[in-house]
Amino acid sequence: GAGVSQSPSNKVTEKGKDVELRCDPISGHTALYWYRQSLGQGLEFLIYFQGNSAPDKSGLPSDRFSAERTGGSVSTLTIQRTQQEDSAVYLCASSLGGTGPLYFGPGTRLLVL
Amino acid sequence: AQRVTQPEKLLSVFKGAPVELKCNYSYSGSPELFWYVQYSRQRLQLLLRHISRESIKGFTADLNKGETSFHLKKPFAQEEDSAMYYCALSGLQGAQKLVFGQGTRLTINP
Repeated sequence: GAGVSQSPSNKVTEKGKDVELRCDPISGHTALYWYRQSLGQGLEFLIYFQGNSAPDKSGLPSDRFSAERTGGSVSTLTIQRTQQEDSAVYLCASSLGGTGPLYFGPGTRLLVL
Repeated sequence: AQRVTQPEKLLSVFKGAPVELKCNYSYSGSPELFWYVQYSRQRLQLLLRHISRESIKGFTADLNKGETSFHLKKPFAQEEDSAMYYCALSGLQGAQKLVFGQGTRLTINP
């Protein structure tokens, strides 16, 4: 079956603009994560959705970042008024249940000029 | 709070030599530990998890609760093992987020 997909694969934007990143998880996976991978850094947790529970937003770096998950499936990560330090690879992952292994998407490479 | 520490950002060994990637964790409950790997131009993928107690691609990892460690080992490194390796932790009780270490870039020299 299809794995986790993300779009766009690359995004170049100007400082101050808003961007939306999309994630399509594996069908039937109840858990969905967003991580950020900056150059030379590890994986930084951003937000976690599990079923119908309230999302764990504890990793969002500022109120410019938000995410939603519609119908328990597709998720969108929105970054408002982008800054140069937002440049990174944004990874989405899903899992079957909250404790299963994560399946990662290919990532969206964001460059803020 | 959950924390995973990988003390080595870079590790370089020769082909055929043993390799050990270190991982230490901090967690007050019962943890589940994982190793994820990212090969060049591929997506991040699960390598192994401590619950499975299996060997994948010759790699093994043992959870040592006394030392709070989950080091990844392979007795004879191969060139195709060159990749970025991440140690990760989640709680066993309920749905808890996975926390990653900073990663170790392993290079196997011919």
